[in-house]
Amino acid sequence: IAGITQAPTSQILAAGRRMTLRCTQDMRHNAMYWYRQDLGLGLRLIHYSNTAGTTGKGEVPDGYSVSRANTDDFPLTLASAVPSQTSVYFCASSESGTTNEQYFGPGTRLTVT
Amino acid sequence: AQKITQTQPGMFVQEKEAVTLDCTYDTSDQSYGLFWYKQPSSGEMIFLIYQGSYDEQNATEGRYSLNFQKARKSANLVISASQLGDSAMYFCAMREGWGFGNEKLTFGTGTRLTIIP
Repeated sequence: IAGITQAPTSQILAAGRRMTLRCTQDMRHNAMYWYRQDLGLGLRLIHYSNTAGTTGKGEVPDGYSVSRANTDDFPLTLASAVPSQTSVYFCASSESGTTNEQYFGPGTRLTVT
Repeated sequence: AQKITQTQPGMFVQEKEAVTLDCTYDTSDQSYGLFWYKQPSSGEMIFLIYQGSYDEQNATEGRYSLNFQKARKSANLVISASQLGDSAMYFCAMREGWGFGNEKLTFGTGTRLTIIP
């Protein structure tokens, strides 16, 4: 069982380019999340999805979009990357309606130049 | 106002000593949950312990315990008999509300713990 996989592991991207970060889970969790981690700021929620077909905005959604076509996949797209989007991005998932913890992927380190 | 506050950016602790990492939270919900995660230098996020707002006893998981003081809105993590492998970043997080659609977490800024041999 892989849990949550993210791709790519790291990426250097020119400003203005479009980029999709991939996230796949094999635990059949209903809820999925995207966070960004920046030094001194902890993890901040970008977007989330409570179930396939629905998405919602988190604390820092500007410049990002997500889709949830099925239970397993939750891609994050940067339509036109800017240097302030340089960060480590974590995808996570959890069972809905429980006290269970969120399971995290290994992260994607993105540098926008 | 910050929903989760971790006031210790860094801590140094001698190996085998106990360590307390502070976390205070702010919420008006009656139903909420508090989590602690560990992030070693390799970068992955590891769940450590959970405390529900209605749990009467403090949560414990092996060497980890959560000192939950509801009136003070604090949820400190206690690590007993610290080990070199405990050196990592530690994050406190809160889930507000209960049930479907209320699983989002708000994280603190973290505490970097270094265990000294």
